[in-house]
Amino acid sequence: DAGVIQSPRHEVTEMGQEVTLRCKPISGHDYLFWYRQTMMRGLELLIYFNNNVPIDDSGMPEDRFSAKMPNASFSTLKIQPSEPRDSAVYFCASSFLNQPQHFGDGTRLSIL
Amino acid sequence: GENVEQHPSTLSVQEGDSAVIKCTYSDSASNYFPWYKQELGKGPQLIIDIRSNVGEKKDQRIAVTLNKTAKHFSLHITETQPEDSAVYFCAASRKGSSNTGKLIFGQGTTLQVKP
Repeated sequence: DAGVIQSPRHEVTEMGQEVTLRCKPISGHDYLFWYRQTMMRGLELLIYFNNNVPIDDSGMPEDRFSAKMPNASFSTLKIQPSEPRDSAVYFCASSFLNQPQHFGDGTRLSIL
Repeated sequence: GENVEQHPSTLSVQEGDSAVIKCTYSDSASNYFPWYKQELGKGPQLIIDIRSNVGEKKDQRIAVTLNKTAKHFSLHITETQPEDSAVYFCAASRKGSSNTGKLIFGQGTTLQVKP
């Protein structure tokens, strides 16, 4: 089975630019999670979806961040405009019902 | 909200020795406690989990214990091998509530196993 697939694996861009991170969850999973990982704050949950509907976005840092899940096999996390402090590794994870979460290998984002 | 504290932040052991990582949680309603292993450049991978109706769970060289009264749980790795070297994260969540699946992670433990 293919795991959670994230793209791109690495992204380097200048501040002020729009950044879009993509995630394909494991087929059949009904939960999708976006996390951010930094040295200072560790692994933080940003937002999660159930059956394509956002359930909890309390971890989204500010209005510059937005996430969508137009269908069961695709989600995006967008940052507009990006800032240097957004530099981090962003992970997507998916799960089915009450089963464990499976993580992708992340997108390493650097904002110059 | 839930808070998960993890100790130690770094742990160095000799190959063949045991390693123990401890976590405490604050939300008494938490009922699901997974452990993840993260290797360099990879996402966290689940290695073992435990639910609150069980006190201990074992899978080969890995075991997890849970003390609900004290609100702490621990990961035990026996007969450590160099390939066990990684960052380990504990987490806690309430499964089955309106926050189903929302994991709160500890700060991570960097385990180094010396050959």
